[in-house]
This record gives sequence, C-alpha cells and structure tokens, in this order.
Amino acid sequence: KAGVTQTPRYLIKTRGQQVTLSCSPISGHRSVSWYQQTPGQGLQFLFEYFSETQRNKGNFPGRFSGRQFSNSRSEMNVSTLELGDSALYLCASSLRDSHNSPLHFGNGTRLTVT
Amino acid sequence: DQQVKQNSPSLSVQEGRISILNCDYTNSMFDYFLWYKKYPAEGPTFLISISSIKDKNEDGRFTVFLNKSAKHLSLHIVPSQPGDSAVYFCAASLPSGSARQLTFGSGTQLTVLP
Repeated sequence: KAGVTQTPRYLIKTRGQQVTLSCSPISGHRSVSWYQQTPGQGLQFLFEYFSETQRNKGNFPGRFSGRQFSNSRSEMNVSTLELGDSALYLCASSLRDSHNSPLHFGNGTRLTVT
Repeated sequence: DQQVKQNSPSLSVQEGRISILNCDYTNSMFDYFLWYKKYPAEGPTFLISISSIKDKNEDGRFTVFLNKSAKHLSLHIVPSQPGDSAVYFCAASLPSGSARQLTFGSGTQLTVLP
C-alpha cells in the first residue's frame, strides 16, 4: 500500500508570495492533518481535516489555510510568505476516526522563503 | 508552554545494549501517547503507542512504559542496532472527541555505535 505522498518535495519562494502544498493520504484514510517542523519550535499542529471539513486548527495566523477534497486529498496554502515560514511541512493521515489512531506521515515539503 | 518535554537532546548507546529514551508531560488530560522515529529527509515513522489505561506496551524490541503519577513515559529499545540511529519524538493526544491533534516533544537524537 502506498504511503502518504506529498508534493513537491522542495520549494523556494520569495517573501510576499503564496504557496500551495499537496498531500495524498494512504488509500482508505479519511483524516488528514498538517504539521510544521522548524528547528526552533519542533513539530507543531496546523490543522486537521475529515470528510472535507476542518475539525481542528492550531495556533497559526490566518495566512495558513487548507482544504480537503472528496477523494481525501488535501492542500494547504500559505499566503504573504514570511521568512519565518521556512520549514518542513508534514502531512499525516489516519485510518480510524478517533483521537487514539496513530498518524502516518509523508516525507514532507521543504519550503524555503528568501 | 511546552506540554511535552524531552530533556535529552542526544543519547549514544553501544550496539546490543539497551537504549532508554525519556519523555515528560505536564497536561494530566493527555490520554494517549506515541513514539515516532525520524530519519533525515523523511517524515516521522510511527513506532509504538500506549493508552493511559495501561502502564506498559511491548512490540518486538520496543517497549513503552507509562508512569501517570510522575507524568513520565519512556521508550526502551533492546537490543539496540545501528539502524535505530535516528531522532525519536514522543507525542501526546487529548481525548477531545474525534479531533486529532498531537503535541510533540522536541526530540532526542539516538546514536547507536557499532
């Protein structure tokens, strides 16, 4: 079974631009979550989607948004990029609809903002 | 406010010996705990989890212990192998309905020496 697929693997953007990252969950998984990993802050929760609905959102500004499609694929968007948005963005999917179902992560998209 | 803490940034162990990775948490409402392993340029890989109703869970070479009174969990790897060299993250989840949000520690770099 294919794992969580994230595209692209690497991105370089300029301050002020916007970016869209894509995530395809494991087949059959309906829950998709996004996390940001930075050296200073570690892994931080961005948001979670289930059945095209955002169920939970972390403590990030409104420039960070996302959506989920009917096939469970998800995208996240960051507008008006800042240097501090440089990070590894990780998508994770989960099989069961419960808080104690492990998340399975993709390999991430490395975003560099210059 | 770091609710999940891994106070040892690094740990070196000889091949064949036991590796013990520690994690402390402050929020007594956490009821599900997980350990992830992360290699460079890859996403975190789920290793093992434990519910707060248990104090031990074992899976092959990996055992997780939970001490609720001390708000402490540990991951034991026996015997340690060079391929275990990676960053290990502990994570915790709240029983917030069906929403899934993991709070991660900052990670411990484990190096297993041949």
